[in-house]
Amino acid sequence: KAGVTQTPRYLIKTRGQQVTLSCSPISGHRSVSWYQQTPGQGLQFLFEYFSETQRNKGNFPGRFSGRQFSNSRSEMNVSTLELGDSALYLCASEKDGAINNEQYFGPGTRLTVT
Amino acid sequence: SQQGEEDPQALSIQEGENATMNCSYKTSINNLQWYRQNSGRGLVHLILIRSNEREKHSGRLRVTLDTSKKSSSLLITASRAADTASYFCAPLGTGGFKTIFGAGTRLFVKA
Repeated sequence: KAGVTQTPRYLIKTRGQQVTLSCSPISGHRSVSWYQQTPGQGLQFLFEYFSETQRNKGNFPGRFSGRQFSNSRSEMNVSTLELGDSALYLCASEKDGAINNEQYFGPGTRLTVT
Repeated sequence: SQQGEEDPQALSIQEGENATMNCSYKTSINNLQWYRQNSGRGLVHLILIRSNEREKHSGRLRVTLDTSKKSSSLLITASRAADTASYFCAPLGTGGFKTIFGAGTRLFVKA
């Protein structure tokens, strides 16, 4: 079974631009979560989508948004990029809403904002 | 959802030694999971312990859970250089759907 894939793996953008990151979960998984990881802040939860609906949301500004498609693939969008948005963005998929699920993480997208 | 807090922040040991990392949390949980992250890569699930379990083993890993103290520990025995990574605990609270990760413990195993 293929793992979680994220595209692109590396990205360099300029301040003020916007970016869209993509995550394809493991086949059959319906939940996708997004995380931002920076050296200073650690691993922070952005949001979770389940069956095309946002189920949980972290404390990030409205510039960070996401969506999930009917095939469970998810995209994350960051508008008006700031230097502080430079980070490793990880997505994780889970099978369903069961409480004892483990999350399977993708390799991440390394975003650099200049 | 709630966040686990790992301790220590960083740990440096020699190959062959045991490594112990601790995790504390604040409210009741359904389960607690431990993950490993190699530098700049995604997290890998290591082990899940349910709230009614006290100890669990997986290979060289041993996890304990003390719900009365709201704490868990991860023991890696006979450590190897390849165990060098960051380790995160993720407690899943009874009221929430999501696991929230703490800052992690950075483990360095010197050959």
